[in-house]
Order: sequence, then C-alpha cells, then structure tokens
Amino acid sequence: GENVEQHPSTLSVQEGDSAVIKCTYSDSASNYFPWYKQELGKGPQLIIDIRSNVGEKKDQRIAVTLNKTAKHFSLHITETQPEDSAVYFCAASPNYGGATNKLIFGTGTLLAVQP
Amino acid sequence: EAQVTQNPRYLITVTGKKLTVTCSQNMNHEYMSWYRQDPGLGLRQIYYSMNVEVTDKGDVPEGYKVSRKEKRNFPLILESPSPNQTSLYFCASSPAAVRETQYFGPGTRLLVL
Repeated sequence: GENVEQHPSTLSVQEGDSAVIKCTYSDSASNYFPWYKQELGKGPQLIIDIRSNVGEKKDQRIAVTLNKTAKHFSLHITETQPEDSAVYFCAASPNYGGATNKLIFGTGTLLAVQP
Repeated sequence: EAQVTQNPRYLITVTGKKLTVTCSQNMNHEYMSWYRQDPGLGLRQIYYSMNVEVTDKGDVPEGYKVSRKEKRNFPLILESPSPNQTSLYFCASSPAAVRETQYFGPGTRLLVL
C-alpha cells in the first residue's frame, strides 16, 4: 500500500526565514497531495494541495512542488511569521484498487518560528 | 456556521466499556471519515463513508465500527475499548470525495484505562 514519509519531524527557523518540509510517497499512481496545518488544540486545516498534472502551485507565501519521477513533494513557506508555528502534515491519495478513496498522511512536522 | 462537530471532546473510560463518539456536519457533505492521531505516527484513517449506508475500512479499522444512517452523522463506535485505543480522534468531511478539502472537527481525546 501507499506509504508517506515526512521530514524533518521538527523545524525551527527565525522569523522572516524560509521553511521547507519534504515528503516522499511510494505509490507512483498517487495523484493528489494536500498539505494540512494543525494549530495547538485544533483539527487540521487544508492550506494548499497539488494534483499530479501540475508541478508547482503557489498561494501567497506558501508553495508546493511535486516531482513525480522522484515521488516527492515539498512545502515551502517564505517570510515565516510566528503565526506559522504549527504542526504540518503532508498526505497522498493512492490510486490503486480499493485505496482510491483513502488519504495517507505523513507523520507531521512541528514548525517553530522564533521571533 | 459551516462546521464539523464531535462529542464528547474528552472522554476517560475503562477497558471493555462500550462507547460512541458522535460526528455531525452541517455542510451536506457526502464523504466522511474518522482518523486517529498518535505521537510519531501522524494521522491514520480508521473508516470512511462515501455516502449514506456506504462505509469502508481505512488503514486501522480493527476494534472500531461505524454507521452512516443519515448524511450528516457518522458515529464511531468502540464496542470493547482497550488501552491501545487511547488516542486523539478526528472526524472529517468533504463535499464528495477524498481528493477535495477535508474539513476536520475539533477532535476527541480518549483515554482508556
């Protein structure tokens, strides 16, 4: 089945610096890759997603890149702010057999933005 | 306000005592799912439902049951809870499929003694 690995598990940056979180997936047929942000005490919230027919997507300070050949995708946050501090999860949606309606998450990255 | 609600938010119980965690959404979404979140393991899907009376197993369904009798409700049932089911549980919904924005509830923290 699909397996999603996420690195690093913790990331500390200075305010204004960039942050990059990377994920790899195992199922080459996976075709949907969302990123969720989870603030303390809350449920995850979608911040950006990308589909397999697109290589890059941006939304203000956030961007996601997808390399289908290498089976990895990354979240880029520029000009980080203290309110970006949270746990970030990547995920992949498999595209085989009975797994097409599932979402497989990575293990999460705790991002701390130091003021 | 469009939202996913879960009840209870916190629950302490003992091994073997049946419990139900309710999940309700007011967005007329067809797809609903349950996840558990454990340190170092991320979010793992327990069960999902494509529509009323249509449910299927996620990656960690053992020890759990679900039902989808109404579109808005998707309760999670633990028939005989065990300590390894101590976890943070999230319900989520989306308009029609998993490859869309998942709207998560606030979570239910469960402790099984």
